[in-house]
Amino acid sequence: DAGVIQSPRHEVTEMGQEVTLRCKPISGHDYLFWYRQTMMRGLELLIYFNNNVPIDDSGMPEDRFSAKMPNASFSTLKIQPSEPRDSAVYFCASAAYGNSPLHFGNGTRLTVT
Amino acid sequence: GDSVTQMEGPVTLSEEAFLTINCTYTATGYPSLFWYVQYPGEGLQLLLKATKADDKGSNKGFEATYRKETTSFHLEKGSVQVSDSAVYFCALTTSASARQLTFGSGTQLTVLP
Repeated sequence: DAGVIQSPRHEVTEMGQEVTLRCKPISGHDYLFWYRQTMMRGLELLIYFNNNVPIDDSGMPEDRFSAKMPNASFSTLKIQPSEPRDSAVYFCASAAYGNSPLHFGNGTRLTVT
Repeated sequence: GDSVTQMEGPVTLSEEAFLTINCTYTATGYPSLFWYVQYPGEGLQLLLKATKADDKGSNKGFEATYRKETTSFHLEKGSVQVSDSAVYFCALTTSASARQLTFGSGTQLTVLP
């Protein structure tokens, strides 16, 4: 099993540009999570899906952020327009069922200049 | 709301030293407790967990006991190795269905040879 796969590993973009982060969860996992990690705020849950349906997006900071899961093997997190304060490491994680451990990807380090 | 408080880092130890990383929590319900570890450049990995009072989670020489009376879940290891250098996160969830993990701020551990 390849684990949770995120792309790209690093993204550098200019303020105002659109950014799309991608995630492929572990096959067969029903839950998918997007987290953001910064020095100031630590790990924050942005949104999570169950069977491709968004369940809780209360952690999404504002309308500039959107997430989709068109099928069980792919999810995107989009920021449009990006701002320097969005600079962080974004993690995707998946879980098999309700009480199983989360499996994290290696993250995407986003830098917005 | 739920919260997790970890001891401030960074923590620097010599190889074979004893490790304790303190973790206390507040929770509105009956939480399950976790320790995750993050190695440089990687996502978080589940290290151990405990789901009810007095349970002891253990893995790779690390242990933590769920203490309901003191609302604590301290991480210990009797003899650390250089390869244990990482960031350690204490976390809890109070709802298996909601899958909301609340993380502590993380403790950076460096083990010197």
